[in-house]
Amino acid sequence: GGIITQTPKFLIGQEGQKLTLKCQQNFNHDTMYWYRQDSGKGLRLIYYSITENDLQKGDLSEGYDASREKKSSFSLTVTSAQKNEMAVFLCASSFRGSSYEQYFGPGTRLTVL
Amino acid sequence: AQSVTQPDARVTVSEGASLQLRCKYSYSGTPYLFWYVQYPRQGLQLLLKYYSGDPVVQGVNGFEAEFSKSNSSFHLRKASVHWSDSAVYFCALSASSGTYQRFGTGTKLQVVP
Repeated sequence: GGIITQTPKFLIGQEGQKLTLKCQQNFNHDTMYWYRQDSGKGLRLIYYSITENDLQKGDLSEGYDASREKKSSFSLTVTSAQKNEMAVFLCASSFRGSSYEQYFGPGTRLTVL
Repeated sequence: AQSVTQPDARVTVSEGASLQLRCKYSYSGTPYLFWYVQYPRQGLQLLLKYYSGDPVVQGVNGFEAEFSKSNSSFHLRKASVHWSDSAVYFCALSASSGTYQRFGTGTKLQVVP
């Protein structure tokens, strides 16, 4: 078995601040994903990466950057945090394409003051 | 375009009663379909998946789902729910050659005594 680790678990920032969320997986999966989860809106894809150093934009990429420097890690940066922004950011990984099940981390809860 | 609709944001059932959670999809090709469950403060976990063949697929913990191409549906069922089934359930769709899954908005299930 494997595990996905997300750090930090809770992230509190100020408006306009640049904030970075990290994700590590030891499944040796090729593809990794970042989702934003807002209450009542389900999961919205921010960025995904099909292999090391690859980046693909999802539906909600504006205001975010991502980095995949190693196969096992995938980082997400909120470029300028918005006041009253509160959401859970979920990282996931899967073996190659989307026809395979995704494995999720426990999430990072973001609060912007 | 691909989309997934879960029309019921919340469902309440009595312990021991049967359950059906609805999922409708929009996709012109043959979809890969998934049901995931999210327990409080955790990431999502796969319940079951459908690729092809028998339209009724079995999953973990007594869950099953039925694929209907004519109705564009993939409803989740359980014969007898337990209080521990209280969670949020997500339906997801992938194109056969896709690179990411598209998720519904989720259904929050509450099992009451």
